[in-house]
Amino acid sequence: AQSVTQLDSQVPVFEEAPVELRCNYSSSVSVYLFWYVQYPNQGLQLLLKYLSGSTLVKGINGFEAEFNKSQTSFHLRKPSVHISDTAEYFCAVSENTGNQFYFGTGTSLTVIP
Amino acid sequence: DTGVSQNPRHKITKRGQNVTFRCDPISEHNRLYWYRQTLGQGPEFLTYFQNEAQLEKSRLLSDRFSAERPKGSFSTLEIQRTEQGDSAMYLCASSRRLAGYNEQFFGPGTRLTVL
Repeated sequence: AQSVTQLDSQVPVFEEAPVELRCNYSSSVSVYLFWYVQYPNQGLQLLLKYLSGSTLVKGINGFEAEFNKSQTSFHLRKPSVHISDTAEYFCAVSENTGNQFYFGTGTSLTVIP
Repeated sequence: DTGVSQNPRHKITKRGQNVTFRCDPISEHNRLYWYRQTLGQGPEFLTYFQNEAQLEKSRLLSDRFSAERPKGSFSTLEIQRTEQGDSAMYLCASSRRLAGYNEQFFGPGTRLTVL
């Protein structure tokens, strides 16, 4: 089974500052990688995904992530955060031969005005 | 609204009671997934269906849990003899397989509180 580690459980950041949310996974096989965002009392919304090709992927709301195979990482970044980015962010991994998603424990991003 | 819907959104029950949740996937999606999310954790896979066939079940899915998708459309998740440890958010997702990749679209979840 896969395991996904989100190294920071809480990340406070000032509005308009850059942010990076870290994600590492354990796998020796090819995987698909995802970042989801969850607002309070809502389901998960896909921010971006890496399937293959360019290691830098761009998603919605100005987020981007970089896949680093040698470090088994998929860190999420945004150059300038907004108050509305305050939410829980989950990194997820799926083996490309399987159907299960393995989620990290989440990172709570709080944007401070 | 053509997204995944779940009902009820909230359920409060007493320990020992049975509860049933419903998930309506996006209409053209043939795969449906159930996840459980406890406080401070990420979603954990419970089970998934392809059409009406239940193809995979997690060890988390104890004998008290049963899921069905009788006509390959909506699905129900039933928990019998609920325990306080069952309190969680139950998330449903649906997808259709495209060239080996299945993007899962999540519903808003059903929050279960067992007193």
